[in-house]
Amino acid sequence: EAGVTQSPTHLIKTRGQQATLRCSPISGHTSVYWYQQALGLGLQFLLWYDEGEERNRGNFPPRFSGRQFPNYSSELNVNALELEDSALYLCASSAGTARAYEQYFGPGTRLTVT
Amino acid sequence: GDSVTQMEGPVTLSEEAFLTINCTYTATGYPSLFWYVQYPGEGLQLLLKATKADDKGSNKGFEATYRKETTSFHLEKGSVQVSDSAVYFCALSKTNAGKSTFGDGTTLTVKP
Repeated sequence: EAGVTQSPTHLIKTRGQQATLRCSPISGHTSVYWYQQALGLGLQFLLWYDEGEERNRGNFPPRFSGRQFPNYSSELNVNALELEDSALYLCASSAGTARAYEQYFGPGTRLTVT
Repeated sequence: GDSVTQMEGPVTLSEEAFLTINCTYTATGYPSLFWYVQYPGEGLQLLLKATKADDKGSNKGFEATYRKETTSFHLEKGSVQVSDSAVYFCALSKTNAGKSTFGDGTTLTVKP
């Protein structure tokens, strides 16, 4: 069974630009979660999508946004990039809201903002 | 709010030594508890889980028991290997929130 996949693996952007990160959940999983792992800040919850809707949001500014598509894949958009947005962005999926406690993670996208 | 506290690292052990990484949590309700492992340059891998009090999660020689009375979920392994060198994260999750709350991670280095 294929795991959670993320693309691209690495992304380099300039301050002020926009970044788009993509995630495909495990087959059969309908919930997708996004986390930021910044150096020195640990893993911080960003967003939770299920069945195409945003279910919960972490303490991040509105320039962090995303969406979930009908095939349950998801996209994270970061607008007006700042240097401190440099981090590993991890996507996770679960088999719906009833199993939201059991999340499986992808390998991450390393975003570098220069 | 919910929180997870892990013992500070880094931890350095010799091969075949006994491993304990302490984890305590603060949460309302009845969270599920997890240990994840992160190898260099990779994402998180679910190592083991426990969904209710007194449950013992186990995988690849690692074990942890959900202790509600002490709000703890300590990770143990009887004999570590060099290949166990990684960062270990303790986490809790509640279905209605959808988010997992992680500890800061403990870096384990095992020397031959």
